[in-house]
Amino acid sequence: NAGVTQTPKFRVLKTGQSMTLLCAQDMNHEYMYWYRQDPGMGLRLIHYSVGEGTTAKGEVPDGYNVSRLKKQNFLLGLESAAPSQTSVYFCASSYDSHSYEQYFGPGTRLTVT
Amino acid sequence: AQSVTQLDSQVPVFEEAPVELRCNYSSSVSVYLFWYVQYPNQGLQLLLKYLSGSTLVKGINGFEAEFNKSQTSFHLRKPSVHISDTAEYFCAVSDRMGSNYKLTFGKGTLLTVNP
Repeated sequence: NAGVTQTPKFRVLKTGQSMTLLCAQDMNHEYMYWYRQDPGMGLRLIHYSVGEGTTAKGEVPDGYNVSRLKKQNFLLGLESAAPSQTSVYFCASSYDSHSYEQYFGPGTRLTVT
Repeated sequence: AQSVTQLDSQVPVFEEAPVELRCNYSSSVSVYLFWYVQYPNQGLQLLLKYLSGSTLVKGINGFEAEFNKSQTSFHLRKPSVHISDTAEYFCAVSDRMGSNYKLTFGKGTLLTVNP
């Protein structure tokens, strides 16, 4: 099992450019999540999905969009990148949302100049 | 909504010393609590979790945590640390979000183990 994988690992964007981050999991999990991690802030939930074809907003959704067309994939899009979106992005998945652990990917380090 | 406070942002210790990383959460009728560890340049992985039952929870790598409902705390401990325990540690609580739940994370504690 590869677990949770993320592509790319690193990316540098100019302000206003767009990009898509891909998350894939091979554990047949229903729930998938996108977080951002900033120094001293812990992890903050951007968007999440409770199953194929569903998405919902988390704590900090502005400036991001997501799609879950296939159960194993969860895409995070930035339509017009801003320097405030410079962060490390983590994808996670879980069997259930309450008591089951979340499995995290290795992260994508994004810099917006 | 739940909140999680990790009382120390950084904890430096010497190898083989004991360590305690402190975590407090806001009160709730019932909570599920987690500790995750993040090694440098990696994602997070679960150390241990409290769902119910015994208040002393044992996890991987010799870590344990004690759930204290009256003090709304879930402190993480290890009796003797190794250099390889150097990492950032996150406390998290399962928090209701509509009909689902999300993890609310603390801001993290950087544990540095020195030789």
